[in-house]
Amino acid sequence: DQQVKQNSPSLSVQEGRISILNCDYTNSMFDYFLWYKKYPAEGPTFLISISSIKDKNEDGRFTVFLNKSAKHLSLHIVPSQPGDSAVYFCAARPIVGGSIYKLTFGKGTLLTVNP
Amino acid sequence: KAGVTQTPRYLIKTRGQQVTLSCSPISGHRSVSWYQQTPGQGLQFLFEYFSETQRNKGNFPGRFSGRQFSNSRSEMNVSTLELGDSALYLCASSSPQGREQGVAKNIQYFGAGTRLSVL
Repeated sequence: DQQVKQNSPSLSVQEGRISILNCDYTNSMFDYFLWYKKYPAEGPTFLISISSIKDKNEDGRFTVFLNKSAKHLSLHIVPSQPGDSAVYFCAARPIVGGSIYKLTFGKGTLLTVNP
Repeated sequence: KAGVTQTPRYLIKTRGQQVTLSCSPISGHRSVSWYQQTPGQGLQFLFEYFSETQRNKGNFPGRFSGRQFSNSRSEMNVSTLELGDSALYLCASSSPQGREQGVAKNIQYFGAGTRLSVL
């Protein structure tokens, strides 16, 4: 049972345009969400996070939107740059006590930004 | 600050053998989590240690075990290796970062991983 889903395995955009990566979740107990970027042969790198009490969080070119009623979040990258080409993982964390350290990941979306 | 360090980076083992992977967390981080990444299943949580105690466990068989030392360094062991254990094993460390309107914030920082190949 996949609790965090990234339904698009890949996405291709032109440099300078907006990249929108989507993520859906099914577990209502998730209260904190994170996006990670991963290059080949490296570990995931933290990008941006959002807690369930907010609907938007921005950090430079990266903005995450959370729609709790739809159990949907998205990552917007504006403007997209060739260096953004990587696999992007959505992750979620449950409310319950010590389990805040147990992340559930989506399977990732490969973003390719074309010059 | 140095990041999360995992050793070795690459390992080749044969079926039936056992393997031990090592993880040194970011200085000051007391929580260490382990994840398995495979093409088919993505990133899956194995277990998490805090102050030398296993606090959370994922859905993996008992062949997968771990421990944490007093300096927060952690090791993961897989016994009786199977072909399906071939994967990238990632370690992440974390430290509490306060709360935002009641929601605990915490970010896990990952190492580069150990690529295990079982032949």
